[in-house]
Amino acid sequence: AQSVTQPDIHITVSEGASLELRCNYSYGATPYLFWYVQSPGQGLQLLLKYFSGDTLVQGIKGFEAEFKRSQSSFNLRKPSVHWSDAAEYFCAVGAGAGNNRKLIWGLGTSLAVNP
Amino acid sequence: ETGVTQSPTHLIKTRGQQVTLRCSSQSGHNTVSWYQQALGQGPQFIFQYYREEENGRGNFPPRFSGLQFPNYSSELNVNALELDDSALYLCASSLDGAGYGYTFGSGTRLTVV
Repeated sequence: AQSVTQPDIHITVSEGASLELRCNYSYGATPYLFWYVQSPGQGLQLLLKYFSGDTLVQGIKGFEAEFKRSQSSFNLRKPSVHWSDAAEYFCAVGAGAGNNRKLIWGLGTSLAVNP
Repeated sequence: ETGVTQSPTHLIKTRGQQVTLRCSSQSGHNTVSWYQQALGQGPQFIFQYYREEENGRGNFPPRFSGLQFPNYSSELNVNALELDDSALYLCASSLDGAGYGYTFGSGTRLTVV
């Protein structure tokens, strides 16, 4: 069965420090992978996605993620965190086919940023 | 272009009641998916509607039902509300489910007391 694991429930970093959020997936075929961000009381905003091709994908807000098939991972990175990056981050894998598709989500990683 | 809008933003209901949540999809999108996000959890897929028909369903009981209208807006109905139904309900729209290009609304926060 498809699944997504985000090993870190909560991470705290200092403003200006680098960030890496971990994501591991289980999926039988070539995965479609996503990172979303959710600010308190808000919906979900897509940061970036991987479908195929270059395994290093660039997203919005200075985020990037690297797909590593051998490790079944899709970790999110940012070289320098800003206070406004404090939020909940979700990794998801796309499942299904055709017009019957859905996202399977991890439990999320809560990011706090110290000034 | 307008994004996905959901109404109401917040709602309080009593156990056993029924509730209807509404979603207007992004202009040009014909597919709507609904997700339930309990506090501290990731979203869980409820179902998806494509051109007014349900074409995918997650592990939710039949008291969760939906509709999609000709303008591709959608409703989520929940009957016989239970306390565990308290959650953020998210609607996402896309074009033909293609590429998982989901645009999410801000959600409806449902509290069942």
